[in-house]
Amino acid sequence: DIQMTQSPSSVSASLGDRITISCRASQDIDNWLAWYQQKPGKAPKLLIYKTSRLQSGVPSRFGGSRSGTDFTLTITSLQPEDFATYYCQQANSFPLTFGGGTKVEIK
Amino acid sequence: QVQLRESGPGLVTPSETLSLTCTVSGASMNNYYWSWVRQPAGKGLEWIGRIYSSGTTNNNPSLRSRVTMSIDTSKKEFSLRLSAVTAADTAVYYCARDRVMVEEQFTMDVWGQGATVTVSS
Repeated sequence: DIQMTQSPSSVSASLGDRITISCRASQDIDNWLAWYQQKPGKAPKLLIYKTSRLQSGVPSRFGGSRSGTDFTLTITSLQPEDFATYYCQQANSFPLTFGGGTKVEIK
Repeated sequence: QVQLRESGPGLVTPSETLSLTCTVSGASMNNYYWSWVRQPAGKGLEWIGRIYSSGTTNNNPSLRSRVTMSIDTSKKEFSLRLSAVTAADTAVYYCARDRVMVEEQFTMDVWGQGATVTVSS
């Protein structure tokens, strides 16, 4: 199985901050990486697929990038609704696997 | 818009079989995969498997042969059965739509609200 390692596990930030969340794949997954946002008691919401493609309706302050097997989710100018847990997911091969999550908290 | 809703018993006895159904509304089930993902309380997401509208399946080997999935497109529903459950299977179970377009492969764009299943005697 492809292991997905996210860091940090949590981050404290203020409204308007720019934050980055990292995700490392245990092997090459090309650009097959997605990001989800999950709020407490709710289902995950797809934000980004194929490393950097924004899902319809997702604000442009969300962005994704890749360097080798390292992937980054960037949120520019944090908004109140962005405080949540974020998960990466490899979309390269079965079984599909997720990172452990990064909780974005209010500082 | 497309909506998914899970249904099934919230309490399952150890060693018995967990059964959940996901009902789809607002769109056809054809030409999509339909997935199951679970999440133990306070933990991360685990992909269970998926089924195509034709009945083809892909499963997570970690659950070995305990998983059975089925689909009835005429009823607009798909189902999950997980046999020989233990306390480790206690989780919120989500159903989700999994896309087939090459650029969007293996990503889930519509999710149900989740069904909490507890395994306990």
